[in-house]
Amino acid sequence: ELKVEQNPLFLSMQEGKNYTIYCNYSTTSDRLYWYRQDPGKSLESLFVLLSNGAVKQEGRLMASLDTKARLSTLHITAAVHDLSATYFCAVMWGADGLTFGKGTHLIIQP
Amino acid sequence: DADVTQTPRNRITKTGKRIMLECSQTKGHDRMYWYRQDPGLGLRLIYYSFDVKDINKGEISDGYSVSRQAQAKFSLSLESAIPNQTALYFCATSDLGHQPQHFGDGTRLSIL
Repeated sequence: ELKVEQNPLFLSMQEGKNYTIYCNYSTTSDRLYWYRQDPGKSLESLFVLLSNGAVKQEGRLMASLDTKARLSTLHITAAVHDLSATYFCAVMWGADGLTFGKGTHLIIQP
Repeated sequence: DADVTQTPRNRITKTGKRIMLECSQTKGHDRMYWYRQDPGLGLRLIYYSFDVKDINKGEISDGYSVSRQAQAKFSLSLESAIPNQTALYFCATSDLGHQPQHFGDGTRLSIL
């Protein structure tokens, strides 16, 4: 059974600061996804990471994947209020659906 | 118009009722999925389908059934609803390969 663990589950930070969200998974996979969810909304795809060492960046967010360590990180640089949301990592195993982490609820305060 | 449309958006019903949630998509994707989201638990896979003749159980299929009426339509049924099925339900689609799944806006279901 694939398990996906995110930490922290809750994060309150100030604007302008940097922080990293971690995603560990229990079995081999070469497909990892990051999603964002705003309150009461659907999930929005942020990044797709497909190989060991993959790094993707979009604005103040950067995601990386280490398949050997079974670890992905989502790094936030110089946070702004608009990045407040819940962030999920999800891992694909075989050809089936995604297994999600529990999500990191991020609040960025002025 | 949304690429993945779920109906209804909200539903309140009573224990023991049969409920159907519907999902339609205009993305032309073969693969469709149903997930439920509970506070603090992330999303969990209920059922998925890779084409009209293919139905597969996910992690938490007990108490649910699905029907893939066409490539673009995938419905989820609760045969006899119970309160612990109260949750936010999402439909998602994807094509072949590694592209991310696209999610609908969700159906908020409350069972009293």
